[in-house]
Amino acid sequence: SQTIHQWPATLVQPVGSPLSLECTVEGTSNPNLYWYRQAAGRGLQLLFYSVGIGQISSEVPQNLSASRPQDRQFILSSKKLLLSDSGFYLCAWSVTSGARGYTGELFFGEGSRLTVL
Amino acid sequence: EDQVTQSPEALRLQEGESSSLNCSYTVSGLRGLFWYRQDPGKGPEFLFTLYSAGEEKEKERLKATLTKKESFLHITAPKPEDSATYLCAVQVRRGAQKLVFGQGTRLTINP
Repeated sequence: SQTIHQWPATLVQPVGSPLSLECTVEGTSNPNLYWYRQAAGRGLQLLFYSVGIGQISSEVPQNLSASRPQDRQFILSSKKLLLSDSGFYLCAWSVTSGARGYTGELFFGEGSRLTVL
Repeated sequence: EDQVTQSPEALRLQEGESSSLNCSYTVSGLRGLFWYRQDPGKGPEFLFTLYSAGEEKEKERLKATLTKKESFLHITAPKPEDSATYLCAVQVRRGAQKLVFGQGTRLTINP
């Protein structure tokens, strides 16, 4: 069966410090991978998605970046955190279908709670 | 712009009191509509996918339905363990590699 691991679960960082959140998926190959952010009282905001190694699509201009160095590894980074980066970060994966790589259901990790002080 | 709106924002019910959650959408070509359940501090858990108007899916006390403009999540005789935030998301035909989520409905079932 497929599993998704995301870490760290909780992170408290000062403004201006770097960030690295990591996500790995097991039990599947060539998944679509996603980073979402959920701010308090708000819906899920898509930050980045990837349909393959080295292929990253950015949805929201910001000081965050993403990388996919391996097929089942997705990393969210920042060089300098802002207060507004606080939130609940969720990694997700889905299978792809068809030549256009349409996604199916998303399966989420347990999330990473980031507090920037 | 593709939009998903869920109502109400919060709903408090007594155990056994049936009700419905609404998800209305304005998108340019719906490819699929998804319902998720999210417990506090956890990632969303997939519940249902609906693809065409008139389609219905059921799981225990939950039933999801879809029309051309909205989806309903009906909850029958709920129990306290059904308390959670329920999220609706749509997949559009163009850019179908991603889902657009609504704000969610926070459901509380009192014993």
